Amino acid sequence: EIVMTQSPATLSVSPGERATLSCRASQSVGSNLAWYQQKPGQAPRLLIYGASTRVTGLPARFSGSGSGTEFTLTISSLQSEDFAVYYCQLYSSWPPKYTFGQGTKLEIK
Amino acid sequence: EVQLVESGGGLIQPGGSLRLSCAASGFTVSSNYMSWVRQAPGKGLEWVSFIHSGASTYYADSVKGRFTISRDLSKNMVYLQMNSLKAEDTAVYYCARVTVTQDYWGQGTLVTVSS
Repeated sequence: EIVMTQSPATLSVSPGERATLSCRASQSVGSNLAWYQQKPGQAPRLLIYGASTRVTGLPARFSGSGSGTEFTLTISSLQSEDFAVYYCQLYSSWPPKYTFGQGTKLEIK
Repeated sequence: EVQLVESGGGLIQPGGSLRLSCAASGFTVSSNYMSWVRQAPGKGLEWVSFIHSGASTYYADSVKGRFTISRDLSKNMVYLQMNSLKAEDTAVYYCARVTVTQDYWGQGTLVTVSS
């Protein structure tokens, strides 16, 4: 079973600065990697799929990169609304299976 | 506009059963894949179940044999029948549409398994 590991567990960054979140897979997953944002009391929100494809309407300050086992979510200039928990997710279309990382909490420094 | 609204959560004793419902609007369940994802209090996300547009079903090992996903195409709804509930099933349960992966999510319904 593939394990997804996110780092760091908590990231403290000042507004306007860049945030870099990492996700590592225990074996290669190609580009079947998504990123979600979750704010307190809300459902997760899909941000990126295919490792680097932004969903429609997502601000360009969000970018995803990587393939194989190493992935990165970068937020280029943090806005107040970006402070949240971020999850990476491995998805498999056949058979359907979805594995989430444990999350990175992005907090205001 | 795509919307998903879950219902049916509540407090249930260990060993009990509960059925969650998910009302979909803005798209047809018959043409889409659907899934359930849960989140224990203060914890991360865990995929639970998936139903293919052709009605094939898939489950996480943690719920296989206890949970059943189904749908009612006439009502555009998806269900999760949960039997033999355990304390570790306590979580917010989210219904989500699946395209490449879960793209639209409902707001969730809380299931608490406790005596």
